[in-house]
Amino acid sequence: QQQVKQSPQSLIVQKGGIPIINCAYENTAFDYFPWYQQFPGKGPALLIAIRPDVSEKKEGRFTISFNKSAKQFSLHIMDSQPGDSATYFCAASMTGTYKYIFGTGTRLKVLA
Amino acid sequence: KAGVTQTPRYLIKTRGQQVTLSCSPISGHRSVSWYQQTPGQGLQFLFEYFSETQRNKGNFPGRFSGRQFSNSRSEMNVSTLELGDSALYLCASSPGGLQGFGYTFGSGTRLTVV
Repeated sequence: QQQVKQSPQSLIVQKGGIPIINCAYENTAFDYFPWYQQFPGKGPALLIAIRPDVSEKKEGRFTISFNKSAKQFSLHIMDSQPGDSATYFCAASMTGTYKYIFGTGTRLKVLA
Repeated sequence: KAGVTQTPRYLIKTRGQQVTLSCSPISGHRSVSWYQQTPGQGLQFLFEYFSETQRNKGNFPGRFSGRQFSNSRSEMNVSTLELGDSALYLCASSPGGLQGFGYTFGSGTRLTVV
């Protein structure tokens, strides 16, 4: 019940494409869902986050879609660029637990 | 504004030794969390501290311990190192609200146990 399942494991898109990364969870007590981007040799950096009372959130070229009934959420990267090539992690957290449960990560490669 | 600073960046230790890793949070942040990142297990929560108190702990053996000082800086210690402890250890800080969200990660300490 504490797992967050992330797919796909890896993804290759052409420049300008819209990669979509999906995550699913079981525990309905989760109430915060962030996405992190990690480049080699660096720590994860927060991209965007969503709460369950919102179905979609956009920040720049990054959009989270949230489906509470299906217990799924996804990250869309609009007009993807080679500089977006990185590993992306979804996560889930519950208020008051002070910890994130991370997905297994998606390695994205955007071809020039 | 300086980010989360972790020292050292790289460390090589021998099996059986102990190691201490250090983390300086973003100025004003009072909550510090630690995560272990490995290719096989991904990112796993170790523990979280706020105002020198551990508020949550992950499923790691007692060889893994941590503490937080009054200036919010934190250290984690691993005793009796095993080969499987080789990993990237990440520290993250947040302002420390009751919700426990909004963590900013450091670049990590790469620990290699030989």
